[in-house]
Amino acid sequence: GQNIDQPTEMTATEGAIVQINCTYQTSGFNGLFWYQQHAGEAPTFLSYNVLDGLEEKGRFSSFLSRSKGYSYLLLKELQMKDSASYLCAVMDSNYQLIWGAGTKLIIKP
Amino acid sequence: GAVVSQHPSWVICKSGTSVKIECRSLDFQATTMFWYRQFPKQSLMLMATSNEGSKATYEQGVEKDKFLINHASLTLSTLTVTSAHPEDSSFYICSARGQGGDTEAFFGQGTRLTVV
Repeated sequence: GQNIDQPTEMTATEGAIVQINCTYQTSGFNGLFWYQQHAGEAPTFLSYNVLDGLEEKGRFSSFLSRSKGYSYLLLKELQMKDSASYLCAVMDSNYQLIWGAGTKLIIKP
Repeated sequence: GAVVSQHPSWVICKSGTSVKIECRSLDFQATTMFWYRQFPKQSLMLMATSNEGSKATYEQGVEKDKFLINHASLTLSTLTVTSAHPEDSSFYICSARGQGGDTEAFFGQGTRLTVV
């Protein structure tokens, strides 16, 4: 079966760095997405990785290792507004998105 | 990024009535639209995938007669929750994707449905 695993909840301090991991087992691979979702709102796109390596976009970076079925989202200089759920999703061979359950990130002052 | 507009943002309806949710792609042609349901503190659950001009493909466990999906044009898909019950209360989100299977899917704002 297809499976996406990510931690349920993480806590970090304002100004610090946090890494949210995602491991996956899917039927084929056509890219991995990270989305941010604030409570009661729709997800917003953060990043897309299809090749191995690190993609940096401002305070957010995303890493992919296809051979390990592994990705992480790195958030630097954390701000209170970064408190949200972070969803990992993999596009399978049928170009369907398989979603993780999301990681709730709590930022403390 | 592209804009997907979902309407209404929230709706309260009486049990037994039907509710229609619209999803529009405003600046691109959405060949594929997805409808998701999300319960509190849970991930998105794909309900169905629809391609313009053809019948929607429903995920296992989703009643197609209860959740009617119409994707009649390249810019509009609708989800109608028929004979709504309190257990249908949820957050419904659409996303739309253009041509090419590897293009990003853009999300609507979501619709909070409460059935009383």
